[in-house]
Amino acid sequence: GAGVSQSPSNKVTEKGKDVELRCDPISGHTALYWYRQSLGQGLEFLIYFQGNSAPDKSGLPSDRFSAERTGGSVSTLTIQRTQQEDSAVYLCASSLAKASSGNTIYFGEGSWLTVV
Amino acid sequence: AQSVTQLGSHVSVSEGALVLLRCNYSSSVPPYLFWYVQYPNQGLQLLLKYTTGATLVKGINGFEAEFKKSETSFHLTKPSAHMSDAAEYFCAVMLNSGYSTLTFGKGTMLLVSP
Repeated sequence: GAGVSQSPSNKVTEKGKDVELRCDPISGHTALYWYRQSLGQGLEFLIYFQGNSAPDKSGLPSDRFSAERTGGSVSTLTIQRTQQEDSAVYLCASSLAKASSGNTIYFGEGSWLTVV
Repeated sequence: AQSVTQLGSHVSVSEGALVLLRCNYSSSVPPYLFWYVQYPNQGLQLLLKYTTGATLVKGINGFEAEFKKSETSFHLTKPSAHMSDAAEYFCAVMLNSGYSTLTFGKGTMLLVSP
């Protein structure tokens, strides 16, 4: 596709359940990012994948959060034993090669997660 | 490390008036600077970015921003607001070295009244 694609667009889950959020980056983009947007917290960095390098997981809020990127393309963000405070919009983004070289980071529409 | 401060969580202007959204940053190395816009229930769209070169950067929809190193600022302006400009605007900074990610400000909601 032309842009970053995320699914599901909306997810309502019960507290304690696991959820998986999927991101399909722009074709050819080697860098992939996950951010979380919630009321009062703004946009928080979660995790960053760059090519075959070890991901930067420094933003993951707890060990209930994990992410993988298979084949250097699609990424899945998994939240285990969801809590109400996990309710937020999860944004995926991608860029061509290393963004710190000046490449633009493009964002998807987000996955809206509500934990009830 | 880097950080971004956006002054004012909400800014209200009349249609046709000047838009000024303020952004100050701190960075240990020369930064790249960005403004993104988010319309309701949508993702983030890049308005403009500063990497190197000319410090006055022009973006989409008539917006521009000027990088002022001495003031550590990157304020966003538009000479004449339009109703369609109502949205949330995010300033972001990235280090221009290594494997860096975007650090965002808290955002400023722009309200445009007729």
